[in-house]
Amino acid sequence: SAVISQKPSRDICQRGTSLTIQCQVDSQVTMMFWYRQQPGQSLTLIATANQGSEATYESGFVIDKFPISRPNLTFSTLTVSNMSPEDSSIYLCSVEGAGGRGGYTFGSGTRLTVV
Amino acid sequence: QKEVEQNSGPLSVPEGAIASLNCTYSDRGSQSFFWYRQYSGKSPELIMFIYSNGDKEDGRFTAQLNKASQYVSLLIRDSQPSDSATYLCAVQGGNNRLAFGKGNQVVVIP
Repeated sequence: SAVISQKPSRDICQRGTSLTIQCQVDSQVTMMFWYRQQPGQSLTLIATANQGSEATYESGFVIDKFPISRPNLTFSTLTVSNMSPEDSSIYLCSVEGAGGRGGYTFGSGTRLTVV
Repeated sequence: QKEVEQNSGPLSVPEGAIASLNCTYSDRGSQSFFWYRQYSGKSPELIMFIYSNGDKEDGRFTAQLNKASQYVSLLIRDSQPSDSATYLCAVQGGNNRLAFGKGNQVVVIP
């Protein structure tokens, strides 16, 4: 399965600032997925990032708040903009497994605390 | 109705016993089903996937799928303390989206 390097692993940010999270995959993948996991909760899909087109956002998530870049088939970034304490979560990127049916691999996650 | 439901509370099992986890889903067109294990402070790790009705065994893990009842389960045999984690059920629907249940915490008591 793909190996994903995600950074930063954690950060503490001031209210009103922005943080960009990076994910690098060791192989080319068509789609990359960005999830949020709030404390004690399960994973919620934020958006799907395709190379060469705009990301597709899930209900409740908007591009102005969570802009995504996908410049090539191995890299993506998620920015959390104008942060508030409610954005404190773990953010995870994910890619589909080999053959499209092998499940999904996750990055190590970014633990974000907004103060 | 939530897309994927895992309703059981924390599950405590003695070491060596069987842990049984259940999951229901709402999208009848779903085709792929996954179980992830998540240790505290870590990202989810895929442990099982199943596509066809029936049972699928992998080591101490067995996944069971019943599409007519929209039901997926995971059995962990001979539970070990290292199995103590949160187990997440995930269902793949349209556009390759994965929807996750809220998870079940399993505690294996030595």
